[in-house]
Amino acid sequence: GAVVSQHPSRVICKSGTSVKIECRSLDFQATTMFWYRQFPKQSLMLMATSNEGSKATYEQGVEKDKFLINHASLTLSTLTVTSAHPEDSSFYICSAPPEGTGNTEAFFGQGTRLTVV
Amino acid sequence: AQTVTQSQPEMSVQEAETVTLSCTYDTSESDYYLFWYKQPPSRQMILVIRQEAYKQQNATENRFSVNFQKAAKSFSLKISDSQLGDAAMYFCAYRSWAGGTSYGKLTFGQGTILTVHP
Repeated sequence: GAVVSQHPSRVICKSGTSVKIECRSLDFQATTMFWYRQFPKQSLMLMATSNEGSKATYEQGVEKDKFLINHASLTLSTLTVTSAHPEDSSFYICSAPPEGTGNTEAFFGQGTRLTVV
Repeated sequence: AQTVTQSQPEMSVQEAETVTLSCTYDTSESDYYLFWYKQPPSRQMILVIRQEAYKQQNATENRFSVNFQKAAKSFSLKISDSQLGDAAMYFCAYRSWAGGTSYGKLTFGQGTILTVHP
């Protein structure tokens, strides 16, 4: 079946540095990918929609300059947390819609636990 | 915009017993998908069951079944013969049938933490 690989699974960074998270569709092409943020014991909140070859669409309240999204190919979307601060510590998950796979459900990456110290 | 509501922050069940998780949603669309996802401590999202809105028959996957009431906009999940491995956070999710830039976008409920007691 279709697989979405997200890397890294865990990252610890110092306050003020930037961190890049990658989301790859391994055996299908994803023109769209979604980035979610999840706090402990809370729901997944959509941050942005990543579109191959064009600018990402951000949800209301999400800072575009802090959460940079690039979708340069049909199999890779990246989320860069710039100038990270402790309040950016969270769990980030990407997903790709099932376009062209014959499935109806989305495919999720394994998630990235970001800790900013 | 669609909304999904899970009114049970936490539920518990004895092993081998049955538990039902509630979910209601609001939409003006007539065609859509509904899903239940399980998120264990690993935090990997695992699809439990899906329901297409145009289907009247309730979906079933082994010990998991849903009660889909389209008019009432209700989509509950029943877990029969509960097992210790069912302990997780469960999310109800809505997906529009439509394509375009929103294709594949999921709207999640708040989640329900399920504890299974031995």
